[in-house]
Amino acid sequence: DSGVTQTPKHLITATGQRVTLRCSPRSGDLSVYWYQQSLDQGLQFLIQYYNGEERAKGNILERFSAQQFPDLHSELNLSSLELGDSALYFCASSASTGLAGGRDTQYFGPGTRLTVL
Amino acid sequence: AQTVTQSQPEMSVQEAETVTLSCTYDTSESDYYLFWYKQPPSRQMILVIRQEAYKQQNATENRFSVNFQKAAKSFSLKISDSQLGDAAMYFCAYRSGVAETSGSRLTFGEGTQLTVNP
Repeated sequence: DSGVTQTPKHLITATGQRVTLRCSPRSGDLSVYWYQQSLDQGLQFLIQYYNGEERAKGNILERFSAQQFPDLHSELNLSSLELGDSALYFCASSASTGLAGGRDTQYFGPGTRLTVL
Repeated sequence: AQTVTQSQPEMSVQEAETVTLSCTYDTSESDYYLFWYKQPPSRQMILVIRQEAYKQQNATENRFSVNFQKAAKSFSLKISDSQLGDAAMYFCAYRSGVAETSGSRLTFGEGTQLTVNP
């Protein structure tokens, strides 16, 4: 158990819908990361938040957005869903922004499997 | 942009034997970190081992060790005394040490599916 929790575990929805994925980082971790794992794109970084602020952005679609709340949990919002958005979405957390070297190991949650029908 | 390549989509090993998984990466940075993550059938991503680029000594964690060749940009994982529980997808990952420009994102390779035969 990494200490990172994600809900829900599974989500099945229809095209055009909107869903919200939730992540709670490990106790004390300030950084949250979102990754997408799909068959055709592999594991891709979406976005990072540090202590409530966006830190880095990767290949995140405009239909997707995220935020980190004062209690440090994060939500990933996916809207106007398409079949191609079906994937496993991981949240990871780490202690710092990355400036602290070895302390900044990312620990992954169990993932949310999204199926768009 | 940094890239990570795992040229072995699949590997197999006999229980108790040793196997080496390959990983190469491309970067113009001198400060960075390399990781191996394991993804068993449960799909959980589990950190196996970490290497800091500034350290010449290869990292070791119990039966897992790496061969880090900085000049060749190679980062292979050796699993000794393989166990059935080692069967998983293994991902090599890169993280820049220059957090100001790229945050702390991980760039992953395509993965190597390891089968352990009894």
